[in-house]
Amino acid sequence: AQSVTQLDSQVPVFEEAPVELRCNYSSSVSVYLFWYVQYPNQGLQLLLKYLSGSTLVKGINGFEAEFNKSQTSFHLRKPSVHISDTAEYFCAVSGTQGAQKLVFGQGTRLTINP
Amino acid sequence: EPEVTQTPSHQVTQMGQEVILRCVPISNHLYFYWYRQILGQKVEFLVSFYNNEISEKSEIFDDQFSVERPDGSNFTLKIRSTKLEDSAMYFCASRATGYNEQFFGPGTRLTVL
Repeated sequence: AQSVTQLDSQVPVFEEAPVELRCNYSSSVSVYLFWYVQYPNQGLQLLLKYLSGSTLVKGINGFEAEFNKSQTSFHLRKPSVHISDTAEYFCAVSGTQGAQKLVFGQGTRLTINP
Repeated sequence: EPEVTQTPSHQVTQMGQEVILRCVPISNHLYFYWYRQILGQKVEFLVSFYNNEISEKSEIFDDQFSVERPDGSNFTLKIRSTKLEDSAMYFCASRATGYNEQFFGPGTRLTVL
């Protein structure tokens, strides 16, 4: 079984500041890792994913994340945020075989202040 | 760009009534999923469906829930006798064979009174 912990429920930052949203996971098997974004009143949109290979993955809207196997972490970063980045961000894991259901973290609400 | 669609966007029902939530997955996808998100809580997996049968389900997915692919395009979630605690946003997702990304629909907000 897998589990995901997002350490911060809310993160307020000023526009153009850098941000890091933290995610830790646990699993007894190999996993794929994902970050999804949910804008107000919308569905879930994939930001980026780690399947294998390079531990630094780049996604849409200038976001990137680094997979750290020893620390079982997959933190999301952006060097300079915009008002439009205000949203809920979900970290998720799946197994690499079978149905590959997603197990989500609690979510982090990112609020950008002008 | 192809997308997953869901209808209705919002459904209000009385406790004990049956509801059917509808989803149209992306056309060449063969893996289908239902998730739910109770207000203020995390997104939870309900069920996955492949090759016309359930491939995995969670503890939430009890006998009150069922899924069906009635034709070549629709994928439905039925709740036979709704409870207050079924109030949530329900998301449908689909995935292509050989790929790892699940594409999500916009969700159906179910309100049980």
